[in-house]
Amino acid sequence: AQTVTQSQPEMSVQEAETVTLSCTYDTSENNYYLFWYKQPPSRQMILVIRQEAYKQQNATENRFSVNFQKAAKSFSLKISDSQLGDTAMYFCAFMKHVNDYKLSFGAGTTVTVRA
Amino acid sequence: NAGVTQTPKFQVLKTGQSMTLQCAQDMNHNSMYWYRQDPGMGLRLIYYSASEGTTDKGEVPNGYNVSRLNKREFSLRLESAAPSQTSVYFCASSEVPTGEQFFGPGTRLTVL
Repeated sequence: AQTVTQSQPEMSVQEAETVTLSCTYDTSENNYYLFWYKQPPSRQMILVIRQEAYKQQNATENRFSVNFQKAAKSFSLKISDSQLGDTAMYFCAFMKHVNDYKLSFGAGTTVTVRA
Repeated sequence: NAGVTQTPKFQVLKTGQSMTLQCAQDMNHNSMYWYRQDPGMGLRLIYYSASEGTTDKGEVPNGYNVSRLNKREFSLRLESAAPSQTSVYFCASSEVPTGEQFFGPGTRLTVL
């Protein structure tokens, strides 16, 4: 299994501020996929953003963007203009290729947005 | 569309009891998965089914069995529950072009 490491168990951010979550992974593959999933207190897993390794351009989805550093095997998530609804656990995940069918998850980072 | 549905939402078992967790998806996805989530460990893959008629072991398959009943349904069975199987269980399905997995709401299982 691939190793995905999220080194920040918990982070706190003031509403409207920016927070960055780190993720590193270990692989010998050249082409792969990376994901960030959000799990709010409801427990539902929701895809936040997706990055294909062969694409150099960093993915963005509204207030969420990633900094993908392929050589460093780093995939950080930036949440801009944080909102109370962003309070959740965030998981970084790795997939070798879409036909591999297997996601390897990091341990997660709990983000708390303060009013 | 309901997406991915799971039953039950909560379950308490005694050690040695058996039970089946049910999962169904209405998105016409070929691939389905079962994960368990434990505190501080993220989600770990138990079993998956790449397509109807096939199943394969994931990272933590011991103590579990699965059945891909048809394209929509993928069940997870605990034959003799153990306290170590206390966890939250998620079912998911995926579409191949993007690799995105869609998750059900989860089942919280406690084994006493």
